[in-house]
Amino acid sequence: ETGVTQSPTHLIKTRGQQVTLRCSSQSGHNTVSWYQQALGQGPQFIFQYYREEENGRGNFPPRFSGLQFPNYSSELNVNALELDDSALYLCASSLVASHKEAFFGQGTRLTVV
Amino acid sequence: AQSVAQPEDQVNVAEGNPLTVKCTYSVSGNPYLFWYVQYPNRGLQFLLKYITGDNLVKGSYGFEAEFNKSQTSFHLKKPSALVSDSALYFCAVRALWGGGADGLTFGKGTHLIIQP
Repeated sequence: ETGVTQSPTHLIKTRGQQVTLRCSSQSGHNTVSWYQQALGQGPQFIFQYYREEENGRGNFPPRFSGLQFPNYSSELNVNALELDDSALYLCASSLVASHKEAFFGQGTRLTVV
Repeated sequence: AQSVAQPEDQVNVAEGNPLTVKCTYSVSGNPYLFWYVQYPNRGLQFLLKYITGDNLVKGSYGFEAEFNKSQTSFHLKKPSALVSDSALYFCAVRALWGGGADGLTFGKGTHLIIQP
């Protein structure tokens, strides 16, 4: 086990609703990244948080937002859900500017209907 | 922009035979390369990485990978496959996204099927 935990494991939401996903980072890691993995695809980088600030974003619209807390836990918020948001959302914790690998949680499966 | 290509959607190997899962990459600067494995309904598990140094990198569960700078490749290998190696394998490159973020760019993944 990696020590990175995500909740909930599964979630069903209706189009247009808002959702919050949670992640608890591995002890000692100060950076958290979020990824979206659509069915049959590789994970895509959404954004990264360091010291409670977003320090980089992939090709995702502003309705994807996040928070990082002083204990390095994190949230991913998605507003105005669309059907295409259905995916596995992965959280990864790491050490900034380090050659260490990132450790992933088991993911949250979001289904938008 | 950085990219990773895994040209094979699926690789079939008989148990006990050597296996290779291919990966090529494109990135500015020195590449930091990773292999992860994903089992059904699970997150990603780290296998191995190349940062610098020896072109042959050894990782978990008997896997290794060969870095080839001139061919921009980072193929995953194992001398003798096990049925339990059957899973989805992802190659990834670490890149800078602006603001200091160093997220990973992944390939589409390769299904590895080991036949008894």
